[in-house]
Amino acid sequence: SAVISQKPSRDICQRGTSLTIQCQVDSQVTMMFWYRQQPGQSLTLIATANQGSEATYESGFVIDKFPISRPNLTFSTLTVSNMSPEDSSIYLCSALWTAATNEKLFFGSGTQLSVL
Amino acid sequence: AQKITQTQPGMFVQEKEAVTLDCTYDTSDPSYGLFWYKQPSSGEMIFLIYQGSYDQQNATEGRYSLNFQKARKSANLVISASQLGDSAMYFCAMREDTGRRALTFGSGTRLQVQP
Repeated sequence: SAVISQKPSRDICQRGTSLTIQCQVDSQVTMMFWYRQQPGQSLTLIATANQGSEATYESGFVIDKFPISRPNLTFSTLTVSNMSPEDSSIYLCSALWTAATNEKLFFGSGTQLSVL
Repeated sequence: AQKITQTQPGMFVQEKEAVTLDCTYDTSDPSYGLFWYKQPSSGEMIFLIYQGSYDQQNATEGRYSLNFQKARKSANLVISASQLGDSAMYFCAMREDTGRRALTFGSGTRLQVQP
């Protein structure tokens, strides 16, 4: 299995600024993802964080707004750039752990972002 | 089109009774995985159970079991002997083995266990 440490756990930011969220996994995992959960909503995939290369973004999310890094197998960052109140959400890092007959997608504890 | 559908926005169950949370999915990929997660009010996402599309038997994890009906494309979660601590949001999710392999989540079901 895997334990994911995500920080900060929450932040209040001013419009127009940027915030970088860090995600550290305690073991090597095959894949890492970033999700957004808007208030009262389900989880929406932002992007797949690829080790050593550009992230793969989902429709509606772009690199200029959500730059992602993954320099090694256990660490990734998500930056929310030029923030607006519409970016207020919970941002979740996740990692896919795979065994012979089982898979688990573990989640970090999330970053509660409020933009004023 | 919705890939994961949870038709029950809210459910109530009496403590110690069993409850079934519905989930249907849509995919043309022959190989996929189905997951259930619990999200309490604290916001953390807690993995509950996994079912692979080629698994012959329904998955079980303690009080959780997954009623997998492949032909009907349904993957209902059964919680036996409900406890007050089971009150939470429950999300069904699917991962297709082709493509990006990330999970797609349903809209969730809010379960409230009553004493």
